Amino acid sequence: QKEVEQNSGPLSVPEGAIASLNCTYSDRGSQSFFWYRQYSGKSPELIMSIYSNGDKEDGRFTAQLNKASQYVSLLIRDSQPSDSATYLCAVREGSYIPTFGRGTSLIVHP
Amino acid sequence: EPEVTQTPSHQVTQMGQEVILRCVPISNHLYFYWYRQILGQKVEFLVSFYNNEISEKSEIFDDQFSVERPDGSNFTLKIRSTKLEDSAMYFCASRDRQNTDTQYFGPGTRLTVL
Repeated sequence: QKEVEQNSGPLSVPEGAIASLNCTYSDRGSQSFFWYRQYSGKSPELIMSIYSNGDKEDGRFTAQLNKASQYVSLLIRDSQPSDSATYLCAVREGSYIPTFGRGTSLIVHP
Repeated sequence: EPEVTQTPSHQVTQMGQEVILRCVPISNHLYFYWYRQILGQKVEFLVSFYNNEISEKSEIFDDQFSVERPDGSNFTLKIRSTKLEDSAMYFCASRDRQNTDTQYFGPGTRLTVL
């Protein structure tokens, strides 16, 4: 059974701070790693994908992958109230079907 | 920008009734998916569809579920005899070609079974 674990939160950060979201996964054969943002009542929206160890930056977002530790994280710099959402970690092994975590709720307060 | 659309946005039905959830994937996409998300739970894969047949399905996708691409644009999920525990958000997603991971999600249909 493939597992993707996330702290459900909520993680509360002040506006302008760095939000750090973490995810661990059980399947060592996992190849692709994703972060989705999901606003309440809405569908998941892909914000980052990462495939190799290290950091990948896209604007205010940085994804970090450590396959040895089976750990992937998302950093959001200069957090804004509009970043308040649930962030879903998803992991893919062989097929193109991702396994999702339950998500971490992020609250950015002014 | 092209997007996946789903109808209806909200469906209320009585237990035991059949429902059909409809999706229009992005027009040049070849791979189609259904997911569900029970309130407060994780997004769960139901089924994938390619070249007019199911390519993968999960344990959730039992005999009461079926999918169809009745024409060149629609992709449907049918639940034959709904149960209370089928109440969830159902998301359709599509992907364009083989060597890309990106799936584009529709806005979802909220199914409420009474």
